[in-house]
Amino acid sequence: GAVVSQHPSWVICKSGTSVKIECRSLDFQATTMFWYRQFPKQSLMLMATSNEGSKATYEQGVEKDKFLINHASLTLSTLTVTSAHPEDSSFYICSGDSQYEQYFGPGTRLTVT
Amino acid sequence: GNSVTQMEGPVTLSEEAFLTINCTYTATGYPSLFWYVQYPGEGLQLLLKATKADDKGSNKGFEATYRKETTSFHLEKGSVQVSDSAVYFCALEGSNYKLTFGKGTLLTVNP
Repeated sequence: GAVVSQHPSWVICKSGTSVKIECRSLDFQATTMFWYRQFPKQSLMLMATSNEGSKATYEQGVEKDKFLINHASLTLSTLTVTSAHPEDSSFYICSGDSQYEQYFGPGTRLTVT
Repeated sequence: GNSVTQMEGPVTLSEEAFLTINCTYTATGYPSLFWYVQYPGEGLQLLLKATKADDKGSNKGFEATYRKETTSFHLEKGSVQVSDSAVYFCALEGSNYKLTFGKGTLLTVNP
């Protein structure tokens, strides 16, 4: 099946700094990429949908100025958590859409101290 | 809005035992339904899906039937293996291909 990678797999940052997470589709082109957030023992919550070359569409309650999403190419989307705070600590997962099926990355664990 | 409720885990079974993980949903219209599996350290993988009522999805010995009357999509396997140990997510696809997930069920199979 199609492969999606995420980098880094885990990151620790200090409160107030920004962190960028990359999501790459390795063997397919993803017109649409999705970003999810998962809290311990909770389901994946969709944060935003990004289409290559256009602005991301954010779900209700997700701060677009805090979670900046860029989808510059058909194989790369980035999520930047700006001015991170401890409550942003979570597991972030991306997926790429190929022929109406989503392929998921392994996730990035963000810890904000 | 759409929602998915699945059996809380963890579930611990012995090898060759029968597995059922319950999943029910609330949605407008007739969504497609999915089971995803997440092995340790890996991303979610599609296990099986069903796109309309009474469809049965199957893969690797797992099965689930789309039951519109009970709004359910329970996952079953007749004989589990140690290698089936993973987290299982039930999900539905709403508009614009957006997925709504259940909380996930951790399955541990002991030899």
